[in-house]
Amino acid sequence: SQELEQSPQSLIVQEGKNLTINCTSSKTLYGLYWYKQKYGEGLIFLMMLQKGGEEKSHEKITAKLDEKKQQSSLHITASQPSHAGIYLCGADEGGASGSRLTFGEGTQLTVNP
Amino acid sequence: NAGVTQTPKFQVLKTGQSMTLQCAQDMNHNSMYWYRQDPGMGLRLIYYSASEGTTDKGEVPNGYNVSRLNKREFSLRLESAAPSQTSVYFCASIRTSSYYGYTFGSGTRLTVV
Repeated sequence: SQELEQSPQSLIVQEGKNLTINCTSSKTLYGLYWYKQKYGEGLIFLMMLQKGGEEKSHEKITAKLDEKKQQSSLHITASQPSHAGIYLCGADEGGASGSRLTFGEGTQLTVNP
Repeated sequence: NAGVTQTPKFQVLKTGQSMTLQCAQDMNHNSMYWYRQDPGMGLRLIYYSASEGTTDKGEVPNGYNVSRLNKREFSLRLESAAPSQTSVYFCASIRTSSYYGYTFGSGTRLTVV
């Protein structure tokens, strides 16, 4: 099965700073999802990337998938306390039994005011 | 509001007791999933149902059973709860393969004592 490694595992930044979270796969990624989770809550969908070199942005969050489709990065510009939470990348493993997501362990982000 | 509804939100069980976690979605999605989330291990897939009438094992199925009751509902049963099953359980659904991501419920926090 696909293994996803996220780095760093945790990150503490000062409000206003930029930051990057990485997600590396052991196999080619055919669908890469980014989710955000606040403590004690469910997962909120951020973005999905499929094509090599693809880049998407939503507000101050930008996600990229590299050309080889084995690594994705999530970049937050001018971080705010509202960005705090756990960020998870998930890879879509399609197959005869249907699609399913495999997740990385997550990156805990703290933004200090 | 449309989405994935999980019940209960919290549960404490004694070792050996049984219980069923309920999940329902009202988005006419075809595929449904059960994940568990443990500290340092991310989300791991327990069972999934690619379509009504089918179920398949995920990464960590031991100690669990599932039922896809109809297109809307997908339940997870613990026949004889063990302390190792203390976790946060999430249900998710997608139409087939979703550009807009998998939709997650808010979770069930289960403690087995």
